[in-house]
Amino acid sequence: GQQLNQSPQSMFIQEGEDVSMNCTSSSIFNTWLWYKQDPGEGPVLLIALYKAGELTSNGRLTAQFGITRKDSFLNISASIPSDVGIYFCAGAGGTSYGKLTFGQGTILTVHP
Amino acid sequence: GAVVSQHPSRVICKSGTSVKIECRSLDFQATTMFWYRQFPKKSLMLMATSNEGSKATYEQGVEKDKFLINHASLTLSTLTVTSAHPEDSSFYICSATTRGEGGYTFGSGTRLTVV
Repeated sequence: GQQLNQSPQSMFIQEGEDVSMNCTSSSIFNTWLWYKQDPGEGPVLLIALYKAGELTSNGRLTAQFGITRKDSFLNISASIPSDVGIYFCAGAGGTSYGKLTFGQGTILTVHP
Repeated sequence: GAVVSQHPSRVICKSGTSVKIECRSLDFQATTMFWYRQFPKKSLMLMATSNEGSKATYEQGVEKDKFLINHASLTLSTLTVTSAHPEDSSFYICSATTRGEGGYTFGSGTRLTVV
């Protein structure tokens, strides 16, 4: 089945540093999504990518949908303590209402 | 934006009893709802996909007789964990989407503890 490989698994950074994480897949996805999950909560959508090569920003977040549609990265600039959490990439296949495939997640810790 | 409400947020039940978790789309009609299970610091594992008015489609290895899913309306899906055992203790999360919109909105999750 489809799998997403997300890296790194965890990151420990100082406040103010930039962060980068990425996902790769052996299969093509038509939609890539990046979510953040706080402890005890459901994932919250950060950025959605719908076109190959698309680069999208949301405040301090920037994400790109790889041109081959098999990869994506998420960058966080000037990290702050509230960026702490687990970040997941997710891919959807041929239909926008199909099921999502999730990456393993990146646990981000930000030291003040 | 789209809001999905999940209830309860936490539940503790005795072994052998059944627990029902509700997932509601508050401001949109959800043609499809998904149920996930998540272990600590792990990714979300899809359990089943439910389409309004039809039987749920379960992922391989998920017992459909233990995890009963009902999607009777366009705004409500329920997951019932029947004859719960301690190994069923987990974080359960629903998400909802509507055909053509392309968005997936997640509920806030339910922490189930079976004692």
